[in-house]
Parts: sequence; structure tokens; C-alpha cells
Amino acid sequence: AQSVTQPDIHITVSEGASLELRCNYSYGATPYLFWYVQSPGQGLQLLLKYFSGDTLVQGIKGFEAEFKRSQSSFNLRKPSVHWSDAAEYFCAVGGRNQGGKLIFGQGTELSVKP
Amino acid sequence: DTAVSQTPKYLVTQMGNDKSIKCEQNLGHDTMYWYKQDSKKFLKIMFSYNNKELIINETVPNRFSPKSPDKAHLNLHINSLELGDSAVYFCASSQEDGGWKPREQYFGPGTRLTVT
Repeated sequence: AQSVTQPDIHITVSEGASLELRCNYSYGATPYLFWYVQSPGQGLQLLLKYFSGDTLVQGIKGFEAEFKRSQSSFNLRKPSVHWSDAAEYFCAVGGRNQGGKLIFGQGTELSVKP
Repeated sequence: DTAVSQTPKYLVTQMGNDKSIKCEQNLGHDTMYWYKQDSKKFLKIMFSYNNKELIINETVPNRFSPKSPDKAHLNLHINSLELGDSAVYFCASSQEDGGWKPREQYFGPGTRLTVT
């Protein structure tokens, strides 16, 4: 079955500390992977995506993610977290010829301590 | 200009009522979606339309009926509302290319539906 798992429901980090949010997927075909961020009361915004090529992808707001096929993972990282990064983060997977359908993980809520 | 807009932002109604949520995108995209986000923030696709044609129809009660008058609009009508319909509903759009690869989806701000 196709699925996305984000093992951490809630993470708290101190401002300036590094961050890694985990994402594992199960997908029977070539996965196309996304990270979205949802600020309180807002819609989702794309941070970055992986389709092919270099397995380390850069996104907006200083985020990056690494695709590891052997581990079925696509973890999101940021070297130094800012208070404005506090939000809900969603990992998603899609595939070819799926009409754009994305399967989302359950999200990880990030809190940032001053 | 807001890229993907939804109205209303909040909707409080009683069980058994019929309500509609409207969505408009001004990005020129040809594909639009409805998602439901439950109280645990789990986000699940309900429908998608491509150029006014229904493409994705997940396992959704037939009380939910999407309507796309043109490719810039996708409305969601819900009949006989139930308590379990309470959620945040998101509209999104993307420019697909014949289904080969999924594209970035642009989301609206959401409509919080509360059924009492």
C-alpha cells in the first residue's frame, strides 16, 4: 500500500539549533517526493521537491532534504532554526500518471524555543 | 492577488443542512483539488478535476459533490451534513502535464467547517 510515515508528531528545538524531520514512504513505483509547510491558519506551501537526479535538494527558507532510496526516506533538514519556522510540516509522495494525486504523511508539528 | 481563494473561511452549520464551499484560482492551472484535513491534521485528497473533468474521486460519501463550472473554479457541495464532516477543507491547484509527473500544488487558506 502507498503510504507516508512521519514518525515524530511533535518536535521542539531551540532557536539556532539544527533540525531534522523524518519521512519514510512506501510506494510501488518511482516516487516523487515533496515537503510542504503549513503555518497556523494557513494553507500549505511547498518547501521543496525531489523528482530525480541529485539526492540532496535545496528548498526555500534554507531547508534541504535528502532522498535515500535504500531507506525509503526523505528527511528534511535545516542547519539553524528560526522562531518563524514554527509550523506543521508535511511530507508527501506522488507518482506518474496519478492525475497529480499526493499522499500525505500525518505531519510533524515544530515548536521553536527562544 | 490571492492565487487560490476559498469562501467562506469559516462555516458553522447544523446537522442535516446543505452547504457549499467555493474555490477560485487565478494561476491559469488546469487541475484543481479538494482535500479534507481532520482534527489530527491528517490531509486526504477527496477529488480532483482537470479542465472541468473529474479525474480523482476517492472514497467519499456521495453527499459530497464537486462541481467545476470552468477550469478556474471548483466548488464543493455537501448535502445532509453530519458531525463527522467537521474538518478543514482545502482547495488546491496545479498545472499537470498529462499526468506524467505530479506538479507543485498551490493551496488555498482553507475553510473550517463546524457541524453542530
